[in-house]
Amino acid sequence: QQQVKQSPQSLIVQKGGISIINCAYENTAFDYFPWYQQFPGKGPALLIAIRPDVSEKKEGRFTISFNKSAKQFSLHIMDSQPGDSATYFCAASMTSGNTPLVFGKGTRLSVIA
Amino acid sequence: DAGVTQSPTHLIKTRGQQVTLRCSPKSGHDTVSWYQQALGQGPQFIFQYYEEEERQRGNFPDRFSGHQFPNYSSELNVNALLLGDSALYLCASSLFLDSPLHFGNGTRLTVT
Repeated sequence: QQQVKQSPQSLIVQKGGISIINCAYENTAFDYFPWYQQFPGKGPALLIAIRPDVSEKKEGRFTISFNKSAKQFSLHIMDSQPGDSATYFCAASMTSGNTPLVFGKGTRLSVIA
Repeated sequence: DAGVTQSPTHLIKTRGQQVTLRCSPKSGHDTVSWYQQALGQGPQFIFQYYEEEERQRGNFPDRFSGHQFPNYSSELNVNALLLGDSALYLCASSLFLDSPLHFGNGTRLTVT
C-alpha cells in the first residue's frame, strides 16, 4: 500500500513557466513533508520542507502549498529553468529525522528553452 | 565539510553472492539510514542505525543486515543476492531526533 501518491510521473515545462507537482498522503499521523531533488547519478538533496502548522512555505523560486484537510501538498517551481530539470520526490514522516521517510514515486521534470 | 560518502559507486555481483556496501556520514551526524531505490521508483527505507544498534527497520528480509561502527560509519550487507536486489542503495545521515536527512550519491548494485 503506497502511503504517498505523487503526480504527474513526468512533466515538461517551458523555460520561465511554473512547474507544479502534487502529492497526497494517507496517514494523518504524518507531520513532516519534505521535497527532494535528484539529478542523474546523484543522491536526493533536500529542497524544501513543511510542517502542517502552516499552509505555505516559500524559499526562493520554490513554494510548498499544504492542505491538511485534503491530505495533499504540492511543490511549485516559479520561473522554471533548464537547470531545474531533475527528478523530484515528495516524502512524509511522523516527526522529523528519527522516523523513516516514505517517498512518492517521483516526477521527472524537463524544462525546455 | 564532507557530506555523506559511499563506496563503492558501482558493483556487479552474481546471484547468490554476498555484498557489503559502506557509508561515512556527514561530519557531526550520528545516525545512519539506508534506503533502496529501484529504477524509476522512490527510495524505500531499509533500516536505521544509532549508537551502533538497529533502531528501526523497513519491510526487508533478514538477508539485509547492517552495522554501525563507533565512528558512526556504517555497512549494509546483503546475502544470497537476488536479481531483484539490483538497485541504487542510498545512505543518509542525520542527527538523532533531528532533521533533515542528508543523502550520499549511492552505490549502484547490479545482480546478474
